[in-house]
Amino acid sequence: DTGVSQNPRHKITKRGQNVTFRCDPISEHNRLYWYRQTLGQGPEFLTYFQNEAQLEKSRLLSDRFSAERPKGSFSTLEIQRTEQGDSAMYLCASSITEAFFGQGTRLTVV
Amino acid sequence: QQQVKQSPQSLIVQKGGIPIINCAYENTAFDYFPWYQQFPGKGPALLIAIRPDVSEKKEGRFTISFNKSAKQFSLHIMDSQPGDSATYFCAASKVAGANNLFFGTGTRLTVIP
Repeated sequence: DTGVSQNPRHKITKRGQNVTFRCDPISEHNRLYWYRQTLGQGPEFLTYFQNEAQLEKSRLLSDRFSAERPKGSFSTLEIQRTEQGDSAMYLCASSITEAFFGQGTRLTVV
Repeated sequence: QQQVKQSPQSLIVQKGGIPIINCAYENTAFDYFPWYQQFPGKGPALLIAIRPDVSEKKEGRFTISFNKSAKQFSLHIMDSQPGDSATYFCAASKVAGANNLFFGTGTRLTVIP
């Protein structure tokens, strides 16, 4: 499969715990993006990498959120001290020009 | 504030019908307008995209109409099929790609056989 791969597909965690998601972009795509999608809404932009540099962050990305893309390949998104409001689908996309999305990681905070 | 407004929220058509989904925007700096299709449990998949220098673009059964002066654009699905039943999102950004795409709230399309 040469598409954008996200792991895990589903994550259930207790409030206050830390979680980390991984995204493997399409190879040779230098741009990588994280979005969040809540039920019944469109995706909302979180952050953007070009190679290993994080070039843009949305105000939605609070201090509890951190994203990395070491070596400009895969990326991780960590949420610390999770809250119930963090429950959502976290989507990763990659592009050269047109963007391709992964299937997402559905986070449920209980 | 919703940067891209999308309507209707849901739409039901008979097979072979032509569903039309409409979007409007305010920010004249937007320069790239894609449409995405999303099935339950899947990520959005790019269907078709347009830049504001053209008024219409067709790819297969999907057509985007773009009205720059009205700041509106729409998706038409010709000869709709039950397999087209999905949620459709319009989006806009200042550059092509996915950095800081502003999505509409989605239209849930059901095509009845």
